Amino acid sequence: DQQVKQNSPSLSVQEGRISILNCDYTNSMFDYFLWYKKYPAEGPTFLISISSIKDKNEDGRFTVFLNKSAKHLSLHIVPSQPGDSAVYFCAAISGYALNFGKGTSLLVTP
Amino acid sequence: AAGVIQSPRHLIKEKRETATLKCYPIPRHDTVYWYQQGPGQDPQFLISFYEKMQSDKGSIPDRFSAQQFSDYHSELNMSSLELGDSALYFCASSLGAGSLGEQYFGPGTRLTVT
Repeated sequence: DQQVKQNSPSLSVQEGRISILNCDYTNSMFDYFLWYKKYPAEGPTFLISISSIKDKNEDGRFTVFLNKSAKHLSLHIVPSQPGDSAVYFCAAISGYALNFGKGTSLLVTP
Repeated sequence: AAGVIQSPRHLIKEKRETATLKCYPIPRHDTVYWYQQGPGQDPQFLISFYEKMQSDKGSIPDRFSAQQFSDYHSELNMSSLELGDSALYFCASSLGAGSLGEQYFGPGTRLTVT
């Protein structure tokens, strides 16, 4: 059973606008969340993370928001750039398990 | 239940030496992933193997190589070690490839390069 869900398989955003990628989880024991970015034929690259004791973490153009009561997190990219086009994976850690969502493919158009 | 086993747990090497880290996945898991976590940093994906074949390659330096053996254990070989290679290296295993899925990671090997 998928414990980390990314319900939007794809998203298209215009350059300069905000990209919002969503992630839901079911396991309340998850205590750390990460976002990875993956280009075709390459491995995932770590982007940003957030601990369950926080509700927001910002790093440059990337901000992750965590809503524990809703078991929901989101990644905001502002402003979006064509180079951001990739598949974005949400991941959650509980103990020694690292659970990935199935990914959302983001396309940023000029 | 059996978990992912990594050996050694701690390793101290000098610059320019070589190191070999070993990972034994959970029984019946056929996919192994290697991550590097520097001090105060989040895990960076290095490389993964599915059924003894390299499946994904991340930010693994050319000085490093890895392989997965017939019993599905994996070894990460690191040569010409640099001070910046000091980090926690952990591997994770999962069943099946095609997506990153649910990975179970080991306790890690802490490598210190002096």
